[in-house]
Amino acid sequence: ELKVEQNPLFLSMQEGKNYTIYCNYSTTSDRLYWYRQDPGKSLESLFVLLSNGAVKQEGRLMASLDTKARLSTLHITAAVHDLSATYFCAVATNFGNEKLTFGTGTRLTIIP
Amino acid sequence: KAGVTQTPRYLIKTRGQQVTLSCSPISGHRSVSWYQQTPGQGLQFLFEYFSETQRNKGNFPGRFSGRQFSNSRSEMNVSTLELGDSALYLCASSLAYRGTLGYGYTFGSGTRLTVV
Repeated sequence: ELKVEQNPLFLSMQEGKNYTIYCNYSTTSDRLYWYRQDPGKSLESLFVLLSNGAVKQEGRLMASLDTKARLSTLHITAAVHDLSATYFCAVATNFGNEKLTFGTGTRLTIIP
Repeated sequence: KAGVTQTPRYLIKTRGQQVTLSCSPISGHRSVSWYQQTPGQGLQFLFEYFSETQRNKGNFPGRFSGRQFSNSRSEMNVSTLELGDSALYLCASSLAYRGTLGYGYTFGSGTRLTVV
């Protein structure tokens, strides 16, 4: 059974600092997704990573995928308060399988 | 372009009742998935439909069921509600088979179900 582990679970950081959220998964995957969720809201798609070595950037967020290590990272650069949210990674396995297995989420709080 | 529409947004039901939730995917999307989100269990996959066929099912009891119509709209039903069914139910739609071509999955705003 696929396991997806995210760490840290909680992260408080000061504005302007850099940090990384890690997502490890236990079996071969062909797709990895990052989502953001604000309190009481739905999931907002951030990145879709489809191949080994994939790197995508949007604003202060950058996501990467290492399929050999079964690891994805979400790097936050020069954090700003608007980035406060819960971030989830989700993994899909096997062609033909639409099931996403989500990590536990990382609750990020940016402190002014 | 309209997003994924879920109705109702909020629902309060009594134990033992049943409930039906609705999801209208983005126009042209044929795959609809359902997820349950709770503080204790996080986000868990319920089931996925493509072209009116259930292709995948998560580890939930038979009280949880769903269907998809020819216009790709989907409904999920929970019978004999239990307190533990209180959750945010999210629907996601995808353009293509396997959520491929990098389009990923677009989630609706969810239905918050409270069972009392």
